[in-house]
Amino acid sequence: AQSVTQPDIHITVSEGASLELRCNYSYGATPYLFWYVQSPGQGLQLLLKYFSGDTLVQGIKGFEAEFKRSQSSFNLRKPSVHWSDAAEYFCAVGAQGGSEKLVFGKGTKLTVNP
Amino acid sequence: DAGVIQSPRHEVTEMGQEVTLRCKPISGHDYLFWYRQTMMRGLELLIYFNNNVPIDDSGMPEDRFSAKMPNASFSTLKIQPSEPRDSAVYFCASSIIAGAGTDTQYFGPGTRLTVL
Repeated sequence: AQSVTQPDIHITVSEGASLELRCNYSYGATPYLFWYVQSPGQGLQLLLKYFSGDTLVQGIKGFEAEFKRSQSSFNLRKPSVHWSDAAEYFCAVGAQGGSEKLVFGKGTKLTVNP
Repeated sequence: DAGVIQSPRHEVTEMGQEVTLRCKPISGHDYLFWYRQTMMRGLELLIYFNNNVPIDDSGMPEDRFSAKMPNASFSTLKIQPSEPRDSAVYFCASSIIAGAGTDTQYFGPGTRLTVL
């Protein structure tokens, strides 16, 4: 079965600074990888996803993520953070066939300082 | 489209009472998921349906929890009797037909349940 680890529980950055949120997954075959964002009191919203092809994926709100098979990672990046990006970010891994569950990491809470 | 609709948004109840959470998925979506989110355990999948049929309920914590999907546009998650440790935010999500673990899931706003 697949699993995902987000090593950072909480990250604080200044507005305008760059951001990288880490995600490591465990799965024997090619995974389906997702990043979701949850604003306070809201449900989760998809930022971007990777299924195959180009390993650098562009998403909404200026986010991107890079799939690195050799490192089993799918880190989320943004070159310049806005105050509205403050939220909790979840990495998730899915698989085709067998157990078709989407497994979520524990999340990384992002605080943005003015 | 209105997105995934959940009701109620907030529920406060006493221990031992029955609680029913409701979900209307996005029209045309064949998969429906129920998740529970707590600080301690994060986001956990409780059960999911495909074409109204329960596929995997291995995440349902115990027999006090039950879920039904009588038709393509409605699902319920019931807790009977409720306990304080059931306090959490419960999310419903739906996706199209590509498969539970491979397609984008669209989440509702959640129901915050507090059991006193």
